[in-house]
Amino acid sequence: DSGVTQTPKHLITATGQRVTLRCSPRSGDLSVYWYQQSLDQGLQFLIQYYNGEERAKGNILERFSAQQFPDLHSELNLSSLELGDSALYFCASSADTGGEEKLFFGSGTQLSVL
Amino acid sequence: DQQVKQNSPSLSVQEGRISILNCDYTNSMFDYFLWYKKYPAEGPTFLISISSIKDKNEDGRFTVFLNKSAKHLSLHIVPSQPGDSAVYFCAGGTSYGKLTFGQGTILTVHP
Repeated sequence: DSGVTQTPKHLITATGQRVTLRCSPRSGDLSVYWYQQSLDQGLQFLIQYYNGEERAKGNILERFSAQQFPDLHSELNLSSLELGDSALYFCASSADTGGEEKLFFGSGTQLSVL
Repeated sequence: DQQVKQNSPSLSVQEGRISILNCDYTNSMFDYFLWYKKYPAEGPTFLISISSIKDKNEDGRFTVFLNKSAKHLSLHIVPSQPGDSAVYFCAGGTSYGKLTFGQGTILTVHP
């Protein structure tokens, strides 16, 4: 158990809809990362938050947004969903104390857009 | 722009033999590299890391080698066990914490 909790585990929705994925980081971790894993793709970095503030942005679509709340949990919002958004979405957290950061991953949310 | 590449989608090895997983990178700014292991229906878990100033790091059956001039790293598993069967991701990291992952290599260890 990594200590990172993601909900829901599975999500099935239709094109054009909006969904919210939730992540609770490990106790004490200030950084939260969102990654997307599609078929035949590695883990694509979407966005990072540190203590409530956006720190780094990757290949995140404009239809996607995220935030980190004062209790450090994070939500990833996906809107105007398309078939190609079907993927496994992972949240990870780290203490982000500088140096070599080990990210601890949740078990992911499998999103299926029909 | 794939900064980290794992060119072998899969690798099959006999139990007890050595598994060698390879990874190439293009970004010279990476400060360290990590290997993660992923089982089905689970998130990736950290396996081993290496600083960019080192050329080898060992942890039990797992050894990571880094060749900076060739921008290449490899993970050696000796001896391989059936429980090692998983997807292995290499990743490069910078001081900002974000990790850049490769596409992954599926390792199958046959009894």
